[in-house]
Amino acid sequence: EIVLTQSPGTLSLSPGERATLSCRASQSVYANYLAWYQQRPGQAPRLLIYDASRRATGIPDRFSGSGSGTDFTLTISRLEPEDFAVYYCQLYGSSRSTFGQGTKVEIK
Amino acid sequence: QVQLVQSGAEVKKPGASLKVSCKASGYTFTDYYMHWVRQAPGQGLEWMGWINPHSGGTYYAWKFQGRVTITRDTSINTAFMELSSLRSDDTAVYYCTRAGGGFGESFFDYWGQGPLVTVSS
Repeated sequence: EIVLTQSPGTLSLSPGERATLSCRASQSVYANYLAWYQQRPGQAPRLLIYDASRRATGIPDRFSGSGSGTDFTLTISRLEPEDFAVYYCQLYGSSRSTFGQGTKVEIK
Repeated sequence: QVQLVQSGAEVKKPGASLKVSCKASGYTFTDYYMHWVRQAPGQGLEWMGWINPHSGGTYYAWKFQGRVTITRDTSINTAFMELSSLRSDDTAVYYCTRAGGGFGESFFDYWGQGPLVTVSS
């Protein structure tokens, strides 16, 4: 079973700064079937990125995904106040799905 | 527009069973797998399993096998998740979520609101 490890656990940044979040898989991810979600307090997760680099409908272009194989990155080019939240990566494409443990992006 | 509307918050006793519903609207219910994901307070997301609403076929995470049952009623476009032998560590928000990428084991594009289920004596 593939394990996803996200780093860092917490990222303290100021609005306007660039955020770089990492998701590392214990084995190569088939077809780059990796997604990123944002979760604000008290809300359900929201799909941001799928297939490692494709933005979901309605997602601002300050969010971008990259990577392949075992190493994936979510980049937020300039943090807006509403971007301070928890971010999860997810592996899909087989019968079992799995999530990383999350990265919290907090206001510095 | 696509909506997944779930049943409300519940309080259960240890050893009891839980059944959460998820009513889908705005799309053809049988065209998309429905998955269930839970989140304990202050913790991360945990995938539980899925159902193919067309065939009724299911698949469950190893952790929940024997305790979880996912079903559907296509006449009312609703999926159900039942969890038995509840323990205190089953206290969590339970989400239904649609697999939207064109195949059943895909990424999740729409989510229900997720009721909190509290297991306490």
